[in-house]
Amino acid sequence: QSVLTQPPSASGTPGQRVTISCSGSSSNIGRNYVHWYQQFPGTAPKLLIYMNNQRPSGVSDRFSGSKSGTSASLAISGLRSEDEADYYCATWDDSLSGPGVFGGGTKVTVL
Amino acid sequence: DVQLVESGGGLVQPGGSRRLSCAASGFTFDDHAMSWVRQAPGKGLEWVSAISGSGAITYYAESVKGRFTMSRDNSKNTLYLQIDSLRADDTALYYCAKLSGKAAVQAYPLIWGQGTMVIVSS
Repeated sequence: QSVLTQPPSASGTPGQRVTISCSGSSSNIGRNYVHWYQQFPGTAPKLLIYMNNQRPSGVSDRFSGSKSGTSASLAISGLRSEDEADYYCATWDDSLSGPGVFGGGTKVTVL
Repeated sequence: DVQLVESGGGLVQPGGSRRLSCAASGFTFDDHAMSWVRQAPGKGLEWVSAISGSGAITYYAESVKGRFTMSRDNSKNTLYLQIDSLRADDTALYYCAKLSGKAAVQAYPLIWGQGTMVIVSS
């Protein structure tokens, strides 16, 4: 059970805007940056958003991230069939002695 | 281009050991902390361990603490994960990842390898 909570699934039709939430606490999201990863079946994850709302070079501006308090969100605008994938949030938790933590992941389906 | 190539996975009996390796190229290896992240079949990502660029500082998830040991050889641009006392729930695809900074704390995975599979079964 992760300390970061994501909905297991989200869906939308092509062109719609889909939002994925990542809920945490004051020891993780509340005081640290949140990062987002995209993973297609059978492939390694790819960095999508870093430091709450920054896009790496080459990532479409249809993807955007935000953070407020102890929650973060990933928004996909103009949904496309190729966006169908798993999405994970990640951050560090200052109450834990281990490395960072991932959310449980959200499967995005394009209807 | 940055490349991370994991190796060392395979079928291991419960209680057994394995050493995973990750050969890195295309960047200044000791300028970056590194991590191992695993993914059990059909499950989500679990951040297993992290190590600073110098190798002096390591972090482990509670689920592997005392059983897994992460190390690096900066002269060989290679990362290691020694996994001991293996259990069935350690069965997973193990990814190595280059982190965003030299210090592991607060760093995040930038680039991932393709992973090496460890199956724990009798």
